[in-house]
Amino acid sequence: NAGVTQTPKFQVLKTGQSMTLQCAQDMNHNSMYWYRQDPGMGLRLIYYSASEGTTDKGEVPNGYNVSRLNKREFSLRLESAAPSQTSVYFCASSYEGIEAFFGQGTRLTVV
Amino acid sequence: DQQVKQNSPSLSVQEGRISILNCDYTNSMFDYFLWYKKYPAEGPTFLISISSIKDKNEDGRFTVFLNKSAKHLSLHIVPSQPGDSAVYFCVGADKLIFGTGTRLQVFP
Repeated sequence: NAGVTQTPKFQVLKTGQSMTLQCAQDMNHNSMYWYRQDPGMGLRLIYYSASEGTTDKGEVPNGYNVSRLNKREFSLRLESAAPSQTSVYFCASSYEGIEAFFGQGTRLTVV
Repeated sequence: DQQVKQNSPSLSVQEGRISILNCDYTNSMFDYFLWYKKYPAEGPTFLISISSIKDKNEDGRFTVFLNKSAKHLSLHIVPSQPGDSAVYFCVGADKLIFGTGTRLQVFP
């Protein structure tokens, strides 16, 4: 009964390094989402995918890319990390875009 | 342009009393609204939703009210319990757009 699994849980990057955050869900959901949470800002949508093979920009997509590899997996890539991307990242999935289930988060620090 | 706004960053309520959390939105295309609850170091969890064609939805101690003409919704928690202490997010469902959250503290 895993739900939404994010890896890694913690990561420290140097400015300019790249990395990919992984997300997988086992609930057969169509929609998947990536958010970042910063103090006082709530959760801001980075990218979302309404179905396998489709992705769309959210509120704060700059500096990120995504891949919906299959129905289960939705990855978020930082090509050249910047200190402004220090944040907690959450992945989520939902069946019809209503009730979403979230992972435990990835705490990323860019130094 | 913030599509979902929660103007009260925090709220403190005595146990047993009513908690009222407010939310305003600007996007008329939202067809559902949801409330999520979040504890520290955890992902948000779904609490209650309301369709844009309804004006009220109730689930146990939680009731959500929607006023479409005012583009305003509220979450009522009655009675409030210490375990309700968390951050509450109002969410507009079309791509699940979150508000900035209200931290609720319920004290004995």
